[in-house]
Amino acid sequence: DSGVTQTPKHLITATGQRVTLRCSPRSGDLSVYWYQQSLDQGLQFLIQYYNGEERAKGNILERFSAQQFPDLHSELNLSSLELGDSALYFCASSMRGTGFLSSGANVLTFGAGSRLTVL
Amino acid sequence: GQQLNQSPQSMFIQEGEDVSMNCTSSSIFNTWLWYKQDPGEGPVLLIALYKAGELTSNGRLTAQFGITRKDSFLNISASIPSDVGIYFCAADSGTYKYIFGTGTRLKVLA
Repeated sequence: DSGVTQTPKHLITATGQRVTLRCSPRSGDLSVYWYQQSLDQGLQFLIQYYNGEERAKGNILERFSAQQFPDLHSELNLSSLELGDSALYFCASSMRGTGFLSSGANVLTFGAGSRLTVL
Repeated sequence: GQQLNQSPQSMFIQEGEDVSMNCTSSSIFNTWLWYKQDPGEGPVLLIALYKAGELTSNGRLTAQFGITRKDSFLNISASIPSDVGIYFCAADSGTYKYIFGTGTRLKVLA
């Protein structure tokens, strides 16, 4: 158990629908990252939050949005779903935002992922 | 944009052999991480590197942060069947986002 909790583990839905994925970071971590991994592909960075504020954006579609709440858990909202959105969505947490060189502070700890299937 | 080129893409090796894989980029980074991902699971951190030239070991794994800060390699010695999986490099330049390599798929033949 990495300490990063993601729910749901599996989700099957239809095109055009909206889903919400949830992530609770490891205790003490302030930063949450979301990544998308399509079948047999690498990890694509979507977005990062640090202590409730958006810190960095990657290749996140406009149909997707995220937020980090005061208790530091984060939600990724995916709307108007398309077949191509089927993927594993990973959340990772770190103690700080990056840019700090102290060892251990900015390594990413991943959750087990949420597998989204859009039919 | 920044990109990590990871090679080889996949490899089949015999149990007991040593394995080498690397990540290269045209960009400079200040942190390199190596992860292993088992099927259907999240990536698990193997080694973290924070200084150019740094050489770090974790059991049978050894990784180095390239002196130019544009590359890193991972070696696995005396491979065993449980080394099977996908190995990812990840790097950060202080821009608040880690980018990941495309992965090296390792298969070990007993």
